[in-house]
Amino acid sequence: DTGVSQDPRHKITKRGQNVTFRCDPISEHNRLYWYRQTLGQGPEFLTYFQNEAQLEKSRLLSDRFSAERPKGSFSTLEIQRTEQGDSAMYLCASRGTGNTEAFFGQGTRLTVV
Amino acid sequence: AQSVAQPEDQVNVAEGNPLTVKCTYSVSGNPYLFWYVQYPNRGLQFLLKYITGDNLVKGSYGFEAEFNKSQTSFHLKKPSALVSDSALYFCAVRPSTGANNLFFGTGTRLTVIP
Repeated sequence: DTGVSQDPRHKITKRGQNVTFRCDPISEHNRLYWYRQTLGQGPEFLTYFQNEAQLEKSRLLSDRFSAERPKGSFSTLEIQRTEQGDSAMYLCASRGTGNTEAFFGQGTRLTVV
Repeated sequence: AQSVAQPEDQVNVAEGNPLTVKCTYSVSGNPYLFWYVQYPNRGLQFLLKYITGDNLVKGSYGFEAEFNKSQTSFHLKKPSALVSDSALYFCAVRPSTGANNLFFGTGTRLTVIP
């Protein structure tokens, strides 16, 4: 499968715990995005990488959230001290230089209990 | 500021009938417009896009969309609906310059009734 891959697909965690999600973009896609989708809403932009550089961050990305893309390939999104309001689907997308459209992974559904 | 409106939360259509899912947008500059479909507990699948040129664009699974600059709309259409088209549809916009990310509408749930 050469699509965007996200791991894990589901994560249940207790409030206050840290969680980390991984995204493997389509090979050679230099642009990588993280979005968050809550029930009944469209995806909302969190952050954007071009290669290893994090170029844009939304105001939604509080200081408890951090994202990395150390070698310009896979990316991780970490949430520290999770809160119930962090419960959502976290979507990763990638886009190549020659593409105008982004391709999405299947998402990681986070439930904070 | 960029924004997308999908005025209908829910659209019901009988199988075999034409369907339309509405989308209007607000963007600074020229828009890149997209439609994505989402099945339960899945990510978003790209359907089609408008970048430039012909206002009627065709995409996957028989879907098409019409770009109307004066009405700032990008409605999704299909001549004959299938039960398998039942899903959540999202319209998204990205300005041609500036922001790199997509701005999404709140989605429209399409139900095709057998």
